[in-house]
Amino acid sequence: GAVVSQHPSRVICKSGTSVKIECRSLDFQATTMFWYRQFPKQSLMLMATSNEGSKATYEQGVEKDKFLINHASLTLSTLTVTSAHPEDSSFYICSARGLAHYNEQFFGPGTRLTVL
Amino acid sequence: TQLLEQSPQFLSIQEGENLTVYCNSSSVFSSLQWYRQEPGEGPVLLVTVVTGGEVKKLKRLTFQFGDARKDSSLHITAAQPGDTGLYLCAGAKWNTDKLIFGTGTRLQVFP
Repeated sequence: GAVVSQHPSRVICKSGTSVKIECRSLDFQATTMFWYRQFPKQSLMLMATSNEGSKATYEQGVEKDKFLINHASLTLSTLTVTSAHPEDSSFYICSARGLAHYNEQFFGPGTRLTVL
Repeated sequence: TQLLEQSPQFLSIQEGENLTVYCNSSSVFSSLQWYRQEPGEGPVLLVTVVTGGEVKKLKRLTFQFGDARKDSSLHITAAQPGDTGLYLCAGAKWNTDKLIFGTGTRLQVFP
C-alpha cells in the first residue's frame, strides 16, 4: 500500500517552455501532497505543500508564479514549471500523505528535468 | 531554519562491517522517520519512531529515538552492498504537516 507515481520520469525541454509534472497516489487518498527539489548529492528541499481543493503554501524563496501547483483531487497534484530556464534543471520529487498516515510521507519516484 | 544534522556525511565500508548513522537537532519532534534513497529514485520510508527512547528493529537495521525526542540513530549490522544509498532522517512537529529533512548520509558498501 501507499504507492505514489510520478510522470514523466524524465523530461528535456527548451528554455522558455513550460513543463507539467503529475503526482498520483495510487491506492490511497492523499489529503496533503508535497513537492520537493533535490540537487545532486544533497538532501530534499521542500518547495510547497498542497491540500486538495485549496491553494498551495510555498516555502520562502520559492516563486509561486514560476512553480504552479494544482491539487484538484485527492489522488492528483501537478507541478508546472513555467518559462523554464537551465537553472530550473533538477530532480523534482512529490510525496503524499493520507489521513491514516500520521506524519509519514510516501514519495514518488521523481522527475529529472533538464532545461537546455 | 530548523536543521537536522546527520553524521557522518559519507561512509564507505566493506561488506560485513557494522555502522551507525546519527541524526541530531536542538528541536523536539513529535515523530521521526528514516528513509533510504537510491540514485534516480524517490526516498523509501524505512521506519517511524514516535516515543522518546523507542527502539525499532527492521532485520539488520536498528533505529532509536532519543529520550528527549531531539535525536535518533540508525545502526546497521553486517552491512551488505544492497544497503548502499542515501539515508535521510526527517522530523515532524506537532503544529505542521511538513517534515524537516536531515542533511543526509551517503553509504557505500563494497563487496
